[in-house]
Amino acid sequence: ILNVEQSPQSLHVQEGDSTNFTCSFPSSNFYALHWYRWETAKSPEALFVMTLNGDEKKKGRISATLNTKEGYSYLYIKGSQPEDSATYLCAFINTNAGKSTFGDGTTLTVKP
Amino acid sequence: NAGVTQTPKFQVLKTGQSMTLQCAQDMNHEYMSWYRQDPGMGLRLIHYSVGAGITDQGEVPNGYNVSRSTTEDFPLRLLSAAPSQTSVYFCASSYGGIGNTEAFFGQGTRLTVV
Repeated sequence: ILNVEQSPQSLHVQEGDSTNFTCSFPSSNFYALHWYRWETAKSPEALFVMTLNGDEKKKGRISATLNTKEGYSYLYIKGSQPEDSATYLCAFINTNAGKSTFGDGTTLTVKP
Repeated sequence: NAGVTQTPKFQVLKTGQSMTLQCAQDMNHEYMSWYRQDPGMGLRLIHYSVGAGITDQGEVPNGYNVSRSTTEDFPLRLLSAAPSQTSVYFCASSYGGIGNTEAFFGQGTRLTVV
């Protein structure tokens, strides 16, 4: 079982704050890292698929970076809005393609 | 555009009963997978399939069977339900292998075993 850790477990911020959280994963046998956004009572939706060391991806106010050599990825949210409240999951895929390991998620609550 | 469709949305079973959770996708995706989600935990992979006729075990396969006779369908069978299988189950699909492209998830099936 691969160890994929996300921190913090939960985060409460005020509207307008910028925030970031971390996904740590094994630095060997890297194939891809995915980020998903999961709103309550809905299903996870993909934010980013990252495959190369040094990748930086952006979608609106949300961006992510990837460091495969040290085994971590950061997700940044600039100017948080209440609609950003969700659980953010990362999934590590190793070179044995087909097996994805999810972290337990970071739950973000943005207060108006 | 249906995407990934799971049925039923809710189910209550008695210990020892069997049932099948249905999953269908209309995107012609080769890769399909089943996850379970328990409180305070992320998604754990139960079984996956890289194409019709090919299935493999994930992290927590015990107590579950799958088959993939068509590209569209990937049912999950609980052989003899146990309270430990109370969970929310998600089916997902993606184009090609799981790594290169995003996964699309169904709406989930909330299963309670009493």
